[in-house]
Amino acid sequence: QVQLQESGPGLVKPSGTLSLTCAVSGGSISSENWWSWVRQPSGKGLEWIGEIYHGGSTNYNPSLKSRVTMSLDKSKNQFSLKLTSVTAADTAVYYCARDYTEEGGLYGLDVWGQGTTVTVSS
Amino acid sequence: EIVLTQSPGTLSLSPGERATLSCRASQSVTGNYLAWYQQKPGQAPRLLIYGASGRATGIPDRLSGSGSGTDFTLTISRLEPEDSAVYYCQQYGRSPYTFGQGTKLEIK
Repeated sequence: QVQLQESGPGLVKPSGTLSLTCAVSGGSISSENWWSWVRQPSGKGLEWIGEIYHGGSTNYNPSLKSRVTMSLDKSKNQFSLKLTSVTAADTAVYYCARDYTEEGGLYGLDVWGQGTTVTVSS
Repeated sequence: EIVLTQSPGTLSLSPGERATLSCRASQSVTGNYLAWYQQKPGQAPRLLIYGASGRATGIPDRLSGSGSGTDFTLTISRLEPEDSAVYYCQQYGRSPYTFGQGTKLEIK
């Protein structure tokens, strides 16, 4: 059973870079899936940040595209998110999730990490 | 970008009743790639429905999804106290993938 676990600093200074990692266990990051990041400000709804394919292709939300970079580390079976030039508006719970794909079919975000809270403050 | 509008904002029902949650898209959802998620306080979202009507693993048949194009519905029959949560729809057929603003379901 695939499980995901986010990790990274809980506090980032304004104008700094938010860096998070999602460790994948119980399965391989090289499987035919996309791996996603979603965030949720306190008391608000969900925002899709973007996704990365096992082959390294990426797909970012245009609203964040200029500040987002996603990458894979197959040797560690994990993927990462970097968000630059952060402001208080980037304060949120950040989730990683598996975007399940099988034989060309798309099945939604079927496995989620528990989420990690990132606060942008000096 | 496809905007998803969920209604109602809040739904308050009693155990045993049926809940009908709506999700309307500003444009046709490609491939009817529409998912529903349940989120309880302090927890990550949980996938309920994919592809508008496919039930995710472990989801009871009290929950069902329907619809196509721009209008989609999540129906929860025989409500139980554990169904109290916020429910989100998401379209994942056309990037950027977008979520609705959520419907809060309260069980009296």
